[in-house]
Formats: sequence, C-alpha cells, structure tokens
Amino acid sequence: GQNIDQPTEMTATEGAIVQINCTYQTSGFNGLFWYQQHAGEAPTFLSYNVLDGLEEKGRFSSFLSRSKGYSYLLLKELQMKDSASYLCAVSRWAGNMLTFGGGTRLMVKP
Amino acid sequence: DGGITQSPKYLFRKEGQNVTLSCEQNLNHDAMYWYRQDPGQGLRLIYYSQIVNDFQKGDIAEGYSVSREKKESFPLTVTSAQKNPTAFYLCASSPEREGLGDTQYFGPGTRLTVL
Repeated sequence: GQNIDQPTEMTATEGAIVQINCTYQTSGFNGLFWYQQHAGEAPTFLSYNVLDGLEEKGRFSSFLSRSKGYSYLLLKELQMKDSASYLCAVSRWAGNMLTFGGGTRLMVKP
Repeated sequence: DGGITQSPKYLFRKEGQNVTLSCEQNLNHDAMYWYRQDPGQGLRLIYYSQIVNDFQKGDIAEGYSVSREKKESFPLTVTSAQKNPTAFYLCASSPEREGLGDTQYFGPGTRLTVL
C-alpha cells in the first residue's frame, strides 16, 4: 500500500522561510507533486520532482530524495497570501494515479 | 479559454436521492479523475478514466458510478448507497502519457451537502 505523512499544521511569520516535509512509502514510485490549496478552492500545481535534488521556482523550491522516501517544500519570503494547505502527492507508474497526503495547513502571521 | 469546469458549485440533496456532478474539460486531455475531500483531509481517489469508454475504480469507489462517453466529459453519480456523501468533490484531468507521471489540473469543485 501507500503511506504519505506530512505535518497537519504549521505557523510561520511573514517574511520568514518555512519548510514543509513529506515522507512516503509506496510501490511503483514515479514522482512527487506539491499542490497549494486555499480554503474552499481547488488545488493548484506548484512543483513536480522526479529526480533527486532541488527544483527552484521563484519563492518556492521542492526537494526530493528517492532513496530516503522524503521530500520538502521550501517557501521563502513568506506572504500572507501563502496561508493555505499544501498537499504532497505521490505519482505511481500504473495509471498515472496520485496518492495524496493529508495536507499541511500553513498559517502565516504578521 | 481552456480549462475544467464543474457544476454546480454548491449542491444540496435529500438523503436517499441519487445526484450527478458534472465535469467538463476542453484541454484535450485523455485522462480524467474524481476525488473526494473531507474537511481537513487530503484527496481520495474515487474513479479515474484514461480513455473514452473506459474507467477504473479508485480507492473509495463504493456508492459512486461514472461514465466516459466523450473525451470532454466525466460525470460522477453519487448514489443512495454512499453512506456519507457530504463532501467536497474535485474533478481533475491530465494529458495521460503511458507510464509517465503527468500533472493533474483541477476543476473548481462541487460542495455536496446531503440533508
């Protein structure tokens, strides 16, 4: 089966840096996605990691270690609008299905 | 504009009634998916379809049914057999490529409340 763990909630200060971790155990691992979801809205794509290493995209970066079953999303220069849930999702080879973690609710305070 | 639409945004139904949620995409994507999200939780896969006239059960298919008669459309029916249907339902699509992970894009969702 699949098991994906991420913290339930995190709080950070505007302008700071926050790292949201995700660990996974799955068969047929293909890659790992991060999505952002504001309350009551649809998830929006942030990043996709297939190979080990860091992918940087503006204020957001995502890291993957396939051997350790570990990923993190790094948010820099936090803004109030970054308050949202961040979903880690594992892509499996068969059927391009995604298995989602429970999401991490990030609250950014002034 | 290309995108995924779901209607309605909010839906109320009486217990025991079947209800069908609409999902349409004009992105020319092959694959489409239905997820359910309960408060404070992640998404769980209900059904998915990689090609027209074919679909597969996801992790929580019981009490749901789908059809895929057209590439653009993937409606979900929540039947009276679904024990706890009140939830936020999300439809997604992706340009399916065999054996490769590909980004799924989500519609705005339908919040179903069963009274």
